Amino acid sequence: NAGVTQTPKFQVLKTGQSMTLQCAQDMNHNSMYWYRQDPGMGLRLIYYSASEGTTDKGEVPNGYNVSRLNKREFSLRLESAAPSQTSVYFCASSELSSNNSPLHFGNGTRLTVT
Amino acid sequence: GDSVTQMEGPVTLSEEAFLTINCTYTATGYPSLFWYVQYPGEGLQLLLKATKADDKGSNKGFEATYRKETTSFHLEKGSVQVSDSAVYFCALRSNFGNEKLTFGTGTRLTIIP
Repeated sequence: NAGVTQTPKFQVLKTGQSMTLQCAQDMNHNSMYWYRQDPGMGLRLIYYSASEGTTDKGEVPNGYNVSRLNKREFSLRLESAAPSQTSVYFCASSELSSNNSPLHFGNGTRLTVT
Repeated sequence: GDSVTQMEGPVTLSEEAFLTINCTYTATGYPSLFWYVQYPGEGLQLLLKATKADDKGSNKGFEATYRKETTSFHLEKGSVQVSDSAVYFCALRSNFGNEKLTFGTGTRLTIIP
């Protein structure tokens, strides 16, 4: 039961470098999400994909891009990393976009930008 | 917009103590309410949920009741264990076609033997 799998688990980047965070789910869920978690701020939504082929901005999309590659995979790209993007990133999925469908989370990627 | 306010931590209790973590919310319409738990080094896991007023969610000895009149969803457990040490997040999801799950800032709970 893999659920939601994120890679890598840890990453250190220099300012200006780029990278892609990978996420895959094996639950046949329609909706996928990217959140960032910062101390004292809870989780904030970066981007989401309600269904395959669609993506939308969340609360804090600046500096990020996403790709819903297929139903299983949803990647997050940082084109030019900044120290403000140091955070823990979580991918999540849900079966439906309805309000009573819970989110299932991966174990996170801890990113440090120096 | 939607918001969730939860009890700031950290909270430290002795084993077998009674736990309450307060959560209140602001939302239009009739959101669904959730409690998630995050153990060290892991992602968030759904602990319990309630989808309409007066519903009680429960799991692993934890309970929370959706109180529309007080816009609250407080988390309770009668007798905590060391294994309950974690960070707890209250969250809501709007019923207006909004994809967003809005989280509180989290409450770190430590249980000492």
